[in-house]
Amino acid sequence: DTEVTQTPKHLVMGMTNKKSLKCEQHMGHRAMYWYKQKAKKPPELMFVYSYEKLSINESVPSRFSPECPNSSLLNLHLHALQPEDSALYLCASSQVVGGINTDTQYFGPGTRLTVL
Amino acid sequence: QQQVKQSPQSLIVQKGGISIINCAYENTAFDYFPWYQQFPGKGPALLIAIRPDVSEKKEGRFTISFNKSAKQFSLHIMDSQPGDSATYFCAATRSHSGGSNYKLTFGKGTLLTVNP
Repeated sequence: DTEVTQTPKHLVMGMTNKKSLKCEQHMGHRAMYWYKQKAKKPPELMFVYSYEKLSINESVPSRFSPECPNSSLLNLHLHALQPEDSALYLCASSQVVGGINTDTQYFGPGTRLTVL
Repeated sequence: QQQVKQSPQSLIVQKGGISIINCAYENTAFDYFPWYQQFPGKGPALLIAIRPDVSEKKEGRFTISFNKSAKQFSLHIMDSQPGDSATYFCAATRSHSGGSNYKLTFGKGTLLTVNP
């Protein structure tokens, strides 16, 4: 099973709201990723977690706050977002073997976020 | 600087025809080249991937051709079907780069339409 699940599927929020996106995988993968994807564009990497530790932050604004509570879960906390943050937010995971991330990333279906 | 150039931007093919999408990369350290298929409103799904130690890999109707000297790789979809209509992204990465320093570099995507 190569399934990554994400909730909610759709989210509409105001600029003053606080919300969270959730991602879950049960493949035993120890690397998890957040991507942002705008329409007709490729995914853009935001964060990488390896063994529940943040290893890459692609200079993402602090209004996006990731959290990895355990090896199966990844959250993205949202606060004071801007309309330009509206996008499809994708979670992905990959195996880590011998301390090295393997190549194949499996993506979830995404959360369609609209910021009003 | 875009490190993976993908063409064409869009492609229209008749049912039963061959769809060909090309990618070129610059970084000679890249050694893993996956293709992702993405339907509207869904996350990217891994379609097929290749490493530079082989020149071709085939899985069903999908074939990757790889030319290491030219730093190019392409996706061929044989007997294209309307259900293949989607956006296709090529990607490249430097695998086994150590620890959590792992990033996929995506091409800009190709919108494939297969007419019935």
